[in-house]
Amino acid sequence: EAQVTQNPRYLITVTGKKLTVTCSQNMNHEYMSWYRQDPGLGLRQIYYSMNVEVTDKGDVPEGYKVSRKEKRNFPLILESPSPNQTSLYFCASSLSRTSAETQYFGPGTRLLVL
Amino acid sequence: GEDVEQSLFLSVREGDSSVINCTYTDSSSTYLYWYKQEPGAGLQLLTYIFSNMDMKQDQRLTVLLNKKDKHLSLRIADTQTGDSAIYFCAERTSGTYKYIFGTGTRLKVLA
Repeated sequence: EAQVTQNPRYLITVTGKKLTVTCSQNMNHEYMSWYRQDPGLGLRQIYYSMNVEVTDKGDVPEGYKVSRKEKRNFPLILESPSPNQTSLYFCASSLSRTSAETQYFGPGTRLLVL
Repeated sequence: GEDVEQSLFLSVREGDSSVINCTYTDSSSTYLYWYKQEPGAGLQLLTYIFSNMDMKQDQRLTVLLNKKDKHLSLRIADTQTGDSAIYFCAERTSGTYKYIFGTGTRLKVLA
């Protein structure tokens, strides 16, 4: 089954404790992206990757890191989480930018930083 | 800069039509998407339209595009309680990967 998976789905942590949220897709998609969803703000893009070893900042990259060592995986790293990073995070992937092909979204990771 | 705007809430009675509105700013060749997010789930693509089209219909869904006013609407005919969700409008310039999302409209369907 074609899908985007994220782990963990729920996470409670404390300020400053490094964490990683994994994202994996099995569709051989080139493009992957991370978003955060906050009430009244919609989805805002954190980072995206156009292919292996190619990443770039989205609209809200501060406090986050990503890596793309393999095509299927795109982990999101919070080196020193802070309470303002409490949010719902979505990973997404897409095949091509030249067609109407849209993004496929993972189920989301709800993060609470105390 | 690029911006996509939506109203935050909409409430309709079961069986009525729902119309969710969105305005966007990008004037380039653009794809415009409607996504549905049910509670506890990710975003699911409902439909999309390219900026050179005026209308697209898919079963109970009708998308209307007013290019002059950069206004996009999603009409859901015969709205059901299962349509209760958050609906996001998004735009993407053709040839890029950058998506701009609206704030989402929470649709509540009253029985």
